[in-house]
Amino acid sequence: DGGITQSPKYLFRKEGQNVTLSCEQNLNHDAMYWYRQDPGQGLRLIYYSQIVNDFQKGDIAEGYSVSREKKESFPLTVTSAQKNPTAFYLCASSIDWTADISFGDGTRLSIL
Amino acid sequence: DQQVKQNSPSLSVQEGRISILNCDYTNSMFDYFLWYKKYPAEGPTFLISISSIKDKNEDGRFTVFLNKSAKHLSLHIVPSQPGDSAVYFCAASGTGTASKLTFGTGTRLQVTL
Repeated sequence: DGGITQSPKYLFRKEGQNVTLSCEQNLNHDAMYWYRQDPGQGLRLIYYSQIVNDFQKGDIAEGYSVSREKKESFPLTVTSAQKNPTAFYLCASSIDWTADISFGDGTRLSIL
Repeated sequence: DQQVKQNSPSLSVQEGRISILNCDYTNSMFDYFLWYKKYPAEGPTFLISISSIKDKNEDGRFTVFLNKSAKHLSLHIVPSQPGDSAVYFCAASGTGTASKLTFGTGTRLQVTL
């Protein structure tokens, strides 16, 4: 089945540790995105990548890093510099930069 | 600065009646609008969209209305069904950047029997 796979579904992190969230898509989409959802707030864009080996900061990139070495993969690292990392993280992709996006099922990150 | 606003955090509607979800935006550069539906612990799924050249788009039970002068759009669900109970996000983007979406805060719809 074609789709966007995020793993794990739930993730726990100790304070001061970096953690990497996985996102894989088999839709042959060029563009990929990471969003963060907090209670009572809309989805906010962290990073996006229009094409492999290229990525741009979104609205709330501080404390996060990404890589796009393969078309199908766009991992997000939440670094210790992110002061409030507890949130629901959503990965998304689209055929290209101008197309509608589809979302994965998300990863909920919690700080121990 | 919230450029896309959904002022009603929740809405309760009886099954079979109409659900109306509202969304306001402030950025006049927005010209493409979408509604997403989200169940708990799942990613949002695309529901319906409208571009600024239209004022109405219909897809089955779902209709989106756009009032550009008022910078307002609404989603109508008729008739509402229990399976429609979810959080609905309004999103907007500017020309040529359809995927760089700005989302509203969401409205939780509860359809009761």
